[in-house]
Amino acid sequence: DAGVIQSPRHEVTEMGQEVTLRCKPISGHNSLFWYRQTMMRGLELLIYFNNNVPIDDSGMPEDRFSAKMPNASFSTLKIQPSEPRDSAVYFCASSSRRRNSNQPQHFGDGTRLSIL
Amino acid sequence: QKEVEQNSGPLSVPEGAIASLNCTYSDRGSQSFFWYRQYSGKSPELIMFIYSNGDKEDGRFTAQLNKASQYVSLLIRDSQPSDSATYLCAVTRNTDKLIFGTGTRLQVFP
Repeated sequence: DAGVIQSPRHEVTEMGQEVTLRCKPISGHNSLFWYRQTMMRGLELLIYFNNNVPIDDSGMPEDRFSAKMPNASFSTLKIQPSEPRDSAVYFCASSSRRRNSNQPQHFGDGTRLSIL
Repeated sequence: QKEVEQNSGPLSVPEGAIASLNCTYSDRGSQSFFWYRQYSGKSPELIMFIYSNGDKEDGRFTAQLNKASQYVSLLIRDSQPSDSATYLCAVTRNTDKLIFGTGTRLQVFP
């Protein structure tokens, strides 16, 4: 079975440029999560969607970050303009939300982002 | 106080020994508990999840949950060098939002 698919795997760009990260969740999963991981702060939830609707975006650092989920099989995380402090590994995860039950989240391979 | 606390380690154990990884959480309303393993440069990989007090075993892994004391632990029996990784504890209420600890680095030496 195909897991969560993220692209690109690596991104190196200059400060001020727009960055778009992409994610395809596991087929049949109806919850999608965007995380950021750094050495200093560990794994932080940025935003998550349920049935394509953003549920909690309290982890989004600032207005430079935005996320969309136009359909059940695709999501994007955009940073505009990018800054060096945005350098991190960004993970996408998905799970199958069931009533009164938290199903495990499965992670993609991540995008390693470097802003110069 | 952090919501989910783990000792950062490293926890060093000899091959064949039992590795014991601990996690405490502050939210008494937490319902679901997960252990993820993360190798260096890789993504977190689910190992086990537990919802009820007591023990849950899966192969060499045993998760233990004590809601009264607000801790969850992971035991790895017959530790192997390939178990060397960072182990992340995550908890949630009855929502999708997982709160992760910062992880414990485990080193298993031959």
